[in-house]
Amino acid sequence: QKEVEQDPGPLSVPEGAIVSLNCTYSNSAFQYFMWYRQYSRKGPELLMYTYSSGNKEDGRFTAQVDKSSKYISLFIRDSQPSDSATYLCAMSGAGSQGNLIFGKGTKLSVKP
Amino acid sequence: SAVISQKPSRDICQRGTSLTIQCQVDSQVTMMFWYRQQPGQSLTLIATANQGSEATYESGFVIDKFPISRPNLTFSTLTVSNMSPEDSSIYLCSVEDLAENTGELFFGEGSRLTVL
Repeated sequence: QKEVEQDPGPLSVPEGAIVSLNCTYSNSAFQYFMWYRQYSRKGPELLMYTYSSGNKEDGRFTAQVDKSSKYISLFIRDSQPSDSATYLCAMSGAGSQGNLIFGKGTKLSVKP
Repeated sequence: SAVISQKPSRDICQRGTSLTIQCQVDSQVTMMFWYRQQPGQSLTLIATANQGSEATYESGFVIDKFPISRPNLTFSTLTVSNMSPEDSSIYLCSVEDLAENTGELFFGEGSRLTVL
């Protein structure tokens, strides 16, 4: 079993739809949870960061962490064509110092 | 946030050759990290480059294959040695967001290598 599992998609939705992206993980030591967005031929950019369990909202984006289920989610409301990208979940434990464990990424396409 | 520049952005290489990737950061950082993103695979940490000491390699990666230099606090290089088609990948340089101190990483644009 890989440490982090993420459905690679691709996922295609119409503009305005609510998108749900998910990752599961096996290492209970993970405390820091991140979502990165990666446009084609670009490096990943940090989208959302959450420490431990709970929700975090930033505009149209909401990140959720459920440590009891080892499950994290990213919701995108009112999706836009500009949201078309690959979304990577990443996580780490205390003192990991740059060693983030990534999912494989979900490729999202938002159709106008 | 940090601005990270990588060169080359892409290259096509012949089997058996070596290529050096450069990474320049716009601020001084203690640690720089090199990741690999193979097609259809997760980003994976290759090694951590510390200024003034040997790089620290993750399991499955060795110095002979991926020698790293770190001559100062803003620059690092990663060499992919004796390349084979399996080394075709995107190689990414990254640094931590020290202002937040949460382990978040900034990434460069990546260097896309194709080995024939």
